[in-house]
Amino acid sequence: GAVVSQHPSWVICKSGTSVKIECRSLDFQATTMFWYRQFPKQSLMLMATSNEGSKATYEQGVEKDKFLINHASLTLSTLTVTSAHPEDSSFYICSARGGQRYYGYTFGSGTRLTVV
Amino acid sequence: EDQVTQSPEALRLQEGESSSLNCSYTVSGLRGLFWYRQDPGKGPEFLFTLYSAGEEKEKERLKATLTKKESFLHITAPKPEDSATYLCAVQAGYGGATNKLIFGTGTLLAVQP
Repeated sequence: GAVVSQHPSWVICKSGTSVKIECRSLDFQATTMFWYRQFPKQSLMLMATSNEGSKATYEQGVEKDKFLINHASLTLSTLTVTSAHPEDSSFYICSARGGQRYYGYTFGSGTRLTVV
Repeated sequence: EDQVTQSPEALRLQEGESSSLNCSYTVSGLRGLFWYRQDPGKGPEFLFTLYSAGEEKEKERLKATLTKKESFLHITAPKPEDSATYLCAVQAGYGGATNKLIFGTGTLLAVQP
C-alpha cells in the first residue's frame, strides 16, 4: 500500500515555456502533499506544502509565481514551473501524506527537468 | 533552528564489512525520525520511522536506533545491492507546524564486492 505516482519521469523544455508535473496518491487519500527540489549530490530541499483545497505554503526563498502548486483533490497535486529557465533545471520530487489510516510520508519517483 | 546532520558524507565498505551511519538532530519537539534509501535518479524509499528514545527497528541487514540526540543506521554484512544514498529526516514542532520533514544531507554508501 501507499503508492505515489509522479509523471513525467523526465522532461526537456525550451526556455520561456511552462512545464506541469503531476503527483498522484494511488491507494490512499493524501491530505497533504509536499514538493521538493534536489540538486546533484545534495539533499532534498522543501519547496512548498499543500493541503487539499487550500493554497500552498511556500518555503522562504521559493518564488510563488514561478512554481505554481495546485492540490485540487485528495489524490492529485500538480507543480507548474512557469517561464522556465536553465537555472530551473533540477530533480523535482513530490511526497504525500494521508490523514486517516496512513500517516507516513511516501515519495514519488521524481521528475528530471532540463530547460534548454 | 531545527537541524539534521548526517555523517559520514560518504562511506565505502567491502561486502560483509558491517558499519553504522549517524544522524544527529537538534529540533524542538521531535515527533518522528525517518530513514530513507535513495537510488540515483529515484525518489526516496521508506525504511524506518522511530518515535522515541530507545526505540529500535530492523529490516533484513538494517537496524535503526534512536536516542535523544541521534539515530544510527546499522548495516550488518552489507551486499553490493545496499549501495545507495541513505537519508535521515525528522518531523518536529508543536501544534499545527508539525507536518514537514527536515532532511539531512545524506550518506552515500558504496559496497564493493
